[in-house]
Amino acid sequence: DQQVKQNSPSLSVQEGRISILNCDYTNSMFDYFLWYKKYPAEGPTFLISISSIKDKNEDGRFTVFLNKSAKHLSLHIVPSQPGDSAVYFCAATPEGGAQKLVFGQGTRLTINP
Amino acid sequence: NAGVTQTPKFQVLKTGQSMTLQCAQDMNHEYMSWYRQDPGMGLRLIHYSVGAGITDQGEVPNGYNVSRSTTEDFPLRLLSAAPSQTSVYFCASRALDSLNTEAFFGQGTRLTVV
Repeated sequence: DQQVKQNSPSLSVQEGRISILNCDYTNSMFDYFLWYKKYPAEGPTFLISISSIKDKNEDGRFTVFLNKSAKHLSLHIVPSQPGDSAVYFCAATPEGGAQKLVFGQGTRLTINP
Repeated sequence: NAGVTQTPKFQVLKTGQSMTLQCAQDMNHEYMSWYRQDPGMGLRLIHYSVGAGITDQGEVPNGYNVSRSTTEDFPLRLLSAAPSQTSVYFCASRALDSLNTEAFFGQGTRLTVV
């Protein structure tokens, strides 16, 4: 039972264009959502997060959008850069369970020059 | 500031062998947890701890034991390794702060059970 789903295993985008990574969830009790970035042979690193009481959070080139009615969130990267090539994981925490991150399967983003 | 340190980085075990994966953090975080990463599965929670002396099971706890005798350390024990435990293991820590749920991860331990 995958509570957090990233249905696109991979995404290829041209440098300078927008990258949009998508994530769907099934548990309406999730109250905090995070995106992590992972390079090969390294641990995941935190990228950006959003509380369930908001619908948008922006940090430089990265923006996360949350649509609670659709149980969907997305990460926008504008403009995309070669260093953005990595695996991106969507994660969520249930209310009162912040120590239990639930991860999606990940999406491998490749930025082409 | 070292953050979260995992040892070893790589390990090969024979079926039935036991070993301990080490995890230490120097950020005085209350929460610590272990995840395994498998292809197409994302990261799945094995065990977690909300403080010294307190541990609990995650999504995939079978075959693993943990203990938390200090705030800094959270070792993961495989009592009798099985090929199904071949995976990449990540330890994470997080501060007890309801306003910030960012978790910090170690670099991972790649375990192969033959």
